[in-house]
Amino acid sequence: DSGVTQTPKHLITATGQRVTLRCSPRSGDLSVYWYQQSLDQGLQFLIQYYNGEERAKGNILERFSAQQFPDLHSELNLSSLELGDSALYFCASSVGRGQSNEKLFFGSGTQLSVL
Amino acid sequence: EDQVTQSPEALRLQEGESSSLNCSYTVSGLRGLFWYRQDPGKGPEFLFTLYSAGEEKEKERLKATLTKKESFLHITAPKPEDSATYLCAVQKEYGNKLVFGAGTILRVKS
Repeated sequence: DSGVTQTPKHLITATGQRVTLRCSPRSGDLSVYWYQQSLDQGLQFLIQYYNGEERAKGNILERFSAQQFPDLHSELNLSSLELGDSALYFCASSVGRGQSNEKLFFGSGTQLSVL
Repeated sequence: EDQVTQSPEALRLQEGESSSLNCSYTVSGLRGLFWYRQDPGKGPEFLFTLYSAGEEKEKERLKATLTKKESFLHITAPKPEDSATYLCAVQKEYGNKLVFGAGTILRVKS
């Protein structure tokens, strides 16, 4: 168990809908990262938050947004969902800003299916 | 463009049959190269970080090495419980995101 908690584990929804994925980082970790994993794209970095502030941005669509709350949990909001958004969404956490000597601890992911 | 290429895509080994997985990368300024293990239905689990060419790290039956253009994950006398997808990722200088390769699916049969 990595200590990173993601809910829900599975989410089935329809095109055009909006969903929220939730992540609680390991105790003491200040950074939260969101990654998307699909069969054709592999594991892709979406966004990082450090202590409530956006720290780094990757290939995140404009329809997607995220935030980190004062208690350090994070939410990833996906709107106007398309079939191609179906993927496994992982949250990871690390203790600091993301220096090279930091390990990322991943949650078990949320499997999103858009029908 | 930053790229990480892993080979082979899949590898089937007999228990005890040693082999190596390859990760080649093109990135402008490497801060670190990471190896992760991912089991089905789970998130990636950290294995190693390598920072400079010539560096080696070991953990049980696994040994990771790094050159200027590639990294190898050597598996010595593997067991069925080593079956998993092994992911390689690079972190650029002055960047926080990890760029992952597609992974190598390893199956070890008893």
